[in-house]
Amino acid sequence: KNQVEQSPQSLIILEGKNCTLQCNYTVSPFSNLRWYKQDTGRGPVSLTIMTFSENTKSNGRYTATLDADTKQSSLHITASQLSDSASYICVVSLYGGSQGNLIFGKGTKLSVKP
Amino acid sequence: DAGVIQSPRHEVTEMGQEVTLRCKPISGHDYLFWYRQTMMRGLELLIYFNNNVPIDDSGMPEDRFSAKMPNASFSTLKIQPSEPRDSAVYFCASSPTGKATNEKLFFGSGTQLSVL
Repeated sequence: KNQVEQSPQSLIILEGKNCTLQCNYTVSPFSNLRWYKQDTGRGPVSLTIMTFSENTKSNGRYTATLDADTKQSSLHITASQLSDSASYICVVSLYGGSQGNLIFGKGTKLSVKP
Repeated sequence: DAGVIQSPRHEVTEMGQEVTLRCKPISGHDYLFWYRQTMMRGLELLIYFNNNVPIDDSGMPEDRFSAKMPNASFSTLKIQPSEPRDSAVYFCASSPTGKATNEKLFFGSGTQLSVL
């Protein structure tokens, strides 16, 4: 069964600290993996998209990594800010599928405290 | 660009009433998606359209749910009759071509539906 599992479910860190969120998937065949940020009361916003051949991709203080062999991805946030408080959703796309074939994780809720 | 626009932002209704959610996709986007988000199940695809034509509605939970896209700039999701278990946040999203390889999905701000 195609699944995306994220850990931890929730995380609290102090402002300025780094953190890493995990995503494991069993989706096959694989096309690409995305990380979305969802602020409270808003829709998800795309952070990164990585295809099979990409190991890492950065977007400012956000760096996503992908290991297609172990089917794992991580999202690393450097020097966290209060505005990083949000849910982070990992999404995997099926190879050959359209945007209608996305498998969503349930997200990690990150709280950054001053 | 104003992005994907959804209305209303919040809807509170009583069980048995009809609910209509509205969405205006980004101009020029060929694909429109309706999602439902709950704490328990996360984001779930309900239905999506390509050039105003429904492509896959297998995610629509029951016949009480229906969706239409009468033109390229407007779509509705209707629930009739509504039930308390329909309470969730409903998102509309659009994308330019629908190709999954490296194309972003753009979400609206959602409609928070509460059925009492």
